[in-house]
Amino acid sequence: NAGVTQTPKFRVLKTGQSMTLLCAQDMNHEYMYWYRQDPGMGLRLIHYSVGEGTTAKGEVPDGYNVSRLKKQNFLLGLESAAPSQTSVYFCASSYGYMNTEAFFGQGTRLTVV
Amino acid sequence: GNSVTQMEGPVTLSEEAFLTINCTYTATGYPSLFWYVQYPGEGLQLLLKATKADDKGSNKGFEATYRKETTSFHLEKGSVQVSDSAVYFCALFSGGYNKLIFGAGTRLAVHP
Repeated sequence: NAGVTQTPKFRVLKTGQSMTLLCAQDMNHEYMYWYRQDPGMGLRLIHYSVGEGTTAKGEVPDGYNVSRLKKQNFLLGLESAAPSQTSVYFCASSYGYMNTEAFFGQGTRLTVV
Repeated sequence: GNSVTQMEGPVTLSEEAFLTINCTYTATGYPSLFWYVQYPGEGLQLLLKATKADDKGSNKGFEATYRKETTSFHLEKGSVQVSDSAVYFCALFSGGYNKLIFGAGTRLAVHP
């Protein structure tokens, strides 16, 4: 029973490099989210998806792109990494109804140097 | 837009002390409200929830009541333990916006 799995768990990038973070869930959830967590700022929503083939911008979408080609996967891309994108990234999924909980992955710690 | 405001931490308590972490929200309509907990090195997990006014969510000795008149969802526990040391997040889900919005988090440290 894997739940929500994020890969990789750690990554160091040089400024200007690109990378993709993968989130996979096995609970048949419709909704998926990408957050970043920074000290003193809590979790801020980057992008989210309410179903396969859909994506929408959250609070801090600039510098990121996402895709939801398959229901179980939600990819977060950084085209040209910047030091300001150093953060811990969390993926979450839920059924999307008002009273259901979101399940979180273990996080990806990204450092951009 | 929707938002969640939590009391700033860290909160430092001795074991068996009473805990309150304040949370207020701004939202249109009738959101669902949640408390999530994050233990060191882990992702977030649901602690409790309430989906309508005057509902009380409870779990592991923690409680929170959905107060629409004061737009609040304060977290309480009568007697904290060292194992409760973690970061606590208040969150709301508003169906109209289809987004799960979090507060900044409050770090709790409990000492023996």
